[in-house]
Amino acid sequence: QQQVKQSPQSLIVQKGGISIINCAYENTAFDYFPWYQQFPGKGPALLIAIRPDVSEKKEGRFTISFNKSAKQFSLHIMDSQPGDSATYFCAASMPPWNFNKFYFGSGTKLNVKP
Amino acid sequence: NAGVMQNPRHLVRRRGQEARLRCSPMKGHSHVYWYRQLPEEGLKFMVYLQKENIIDESGMPKERFSAEFPKEGPSILRIQQVVRGDSAAYFCASSMQGNQPQHFGDGTRLSIL
Repeated sequence: QQQVKQSPQSLIVQKGGISIINCAYENTAFDYFPWYQQFPGKGPALLIAIRPDVSEKKEGRFTISFNKSAKQFSLHIMDSQPGDSATYFCAASMPPWNFNKFYFGSGTKLNVKP
Repeated sequence: NAGVMQNPRHLVRRRGQEARLRCSPMKGHSHVYWYRQLPEEGLKFMVYLQKENIIDESGMPKERFSAEFPKEGPSILRIQQVVRGDSAAYFCASSMQGNQPQHFGDGTRLSIL
């Protein structure tokens, strides 16, 4: 079954707007939540990540909001730019793995209109 | 380019043939992961290897699929007797340690005729 559910499947945002992508999970053992950005023909690249001991993490225009009680986390892209157009994946992993065994969401295709 | 290198980038096989996908990890990385991505879907974990050892293959189909990471040379994902359903993008990632960030290659797009 899908361990991490992601929405929306696609998103169109005007340049300068805010892009919001949401993910939800069921397994409370997850303790590491990264977001990956993937351009066509390329592999995913780590964008930003959060652990459940904080509710928000910001890096430049990218912010992760984390709601532990609701088991949800989201990616906010402020001042969205056409260069942000890509597919975004959320993921989650849990201990006691000795490695990050990721469960990925199904992806959100973001299109930022000039 | 010191990134994760995968080859070939595109591979076409007929049903019943074998497919071999190669992955050279980043310099200094001894942990390799293989993922499969079907169209319009996220990545699904297949297998995790350290040098010469398979650590976790819980995401690998039980038949026809195998992976290795020899002492010398790249990691190989082998698919025997390919079927149409094997058509996908296969991504390799590497890390320095198991719990450190994984860096992805640009994938191999496998098409089965």
